[in-house]
Amino acid sequence: EDQVTQSPEALRLQEGESSSLNCSYTVSGLRGLFWYRQDPGKGPEFLFTLYSAGEEKEKERLKATLTKKESFLHITAPKPEDSATYLCAVKGFEGSGGSNYKLTFGKGTLLTVNP
Amino acid sequence: GAGVSQSPRYKVAKRGQDVALRCDPISGHVSLFWYQQALGQGPEFLTYFQNEAQLDKSGLPSDRFFAERPEGSVSTLKIQRTQQEDSAVYLCASSRGTVQETQYFGPGTRLLVL
Repeated sequence: EDQVTQSPEALRLQEGESSSLNCSYTVSGLRGLFWYRQDPGKGPEFLFTLYSAGEEKEKERLKATLTKKESFLHITAPKPEDSATYLCAVKGFEGSGGSNYKLTFGKGTLLTVNP
Repeated sequence: GAGVSQSPRYKVAKRGQDVALRCDPISGHVSLFWYQQALGQGPEFLTYFQNEAQLDKSGLPSDRFFAERPEGSVSTLKIQRTQQEDSAVYLCASSRGTVQETQYFGPGTRLLVL
């Protein structure tokens, strides 16, 4: 069965204070690791997909990295508008206890950036 | 283009009442998913459609939950005889293909059962 654990549960930063969010995962075969952002009262908004260890992707102040056991979402010089819950999800191979289509999510990290 | 839309956005139901939640996926998207998100938790898989075929309903909590997508586009999630534990946000997502395609989520329907 696919499992995802995110840490910390909550993170409070000052504007401009860089940090990282962690996503540890267990999956027999990884089809993809996904990062989403969720604002209060809204659905998850897609950020990145990572497929293999060593892969990195960037978007504005966000950079996602992937190893065989975990992924990091690095936030450089965050702004208050980066405040949100960040969700990590994995998609595994069919027959490994996961499936090749459904996402298994972690509980998320609630990020607050103070001005 | 237009994203995934869901209606109603909010629904208050009395315990025992039946409810129907609608999802309009992105036009042309083959795959459609329903997830349930409890407060402070990540979304949890309920069911999956590929076109009009329901290929996986393993996440549906009980036989009170039923989903359909009769023409391969719009989908409806129906909950019969609602219970307080059904209170949650119900999210719909769609993807263009099947396996490695990105899933795009709608805004969700927040269901409160009193």
